[in-house]
Amino acid sequence: EPEVTQTPSHQVTQMGQEVILRCVPISNHLYFYWYRQILGQKVEFLVSFYNNEISEKSEIFDDQFSVERPDGSNFTLKIRSTKLEDSAMYFCASSRVGNPVDEQYFGPGTRLTVT
Amino acid sequence: GQQVMQIPQYQHVQEGEDFTTYCNSSTTLSNIQWYKQRPGGHPVFLIQLVKSGEVKKQKRLTFQFGEAKKNSSLHITATQTTDVGTYFCAGLGNYGQNFVFGPGTRLSVLP
Repeated sequence: EPEVTQTPSHQVTQMGQEVILRCVPISNHLYFYWYRQILGQKVEFLVSFYNNEISEKSEIFDDQFSVERPDGSNFTLKIRSTKLEDSAMYFCASSRVGNPVDEQYFGPGTRLTVT
Repeated sequence: GQQVMQIPQYQHVQEGEDFTTYCNSSTTLSNIQWYKQRPGGHPVFLIQLVKSGEVKKQKRLTFQFGEAKKNSSLHITATQTTDVGTYFCAGLGNYGQNFVFGPGTRLSVLP
């Protein structure tokens, strides 16, 4: 069964550094998402992406965040200057359609630790 | 903004007992999805409900969408140890394109 993959599985970085989290969505999916989950808490929507542009973003997704689809397969989340409170599990997800929203397939996540 | 709440936060049951988690939205929903997240894992899609009053079943799991499309429930009959995990509902508002997740209900099943 096709699946969403994410790299790295764990990223440790120092406060103020830039990080790039990578995702490979399922190949025939058109909508891509980033979520984050602080340890033990709920899943929070960050951003959705379709047709090479952001469809929606949450209040969390401020100027320090950006997303990109640099080629036909990768979908990246960049955090420019990490803060301690950015420590969380970041999940990428994809779906075949987005309007109406279809089943979202989540990747295994990247655990980001900011020290 | 839209808020999604779930109760209970935690539920401990003996294997074989039933389990129900309830999801409530502050606004009317377009549709609702349910996910299961095993400890240390990622959310896995279970079901999507779209119609008012809709009831769907998956083996021992029964999902219901309220008539007013502001609440939903997930009921598991005769729980098994494999049911352990956190169950999240995620609601899509009428004017939004992103799902708002509830805080989840963490289910523990004692053998």
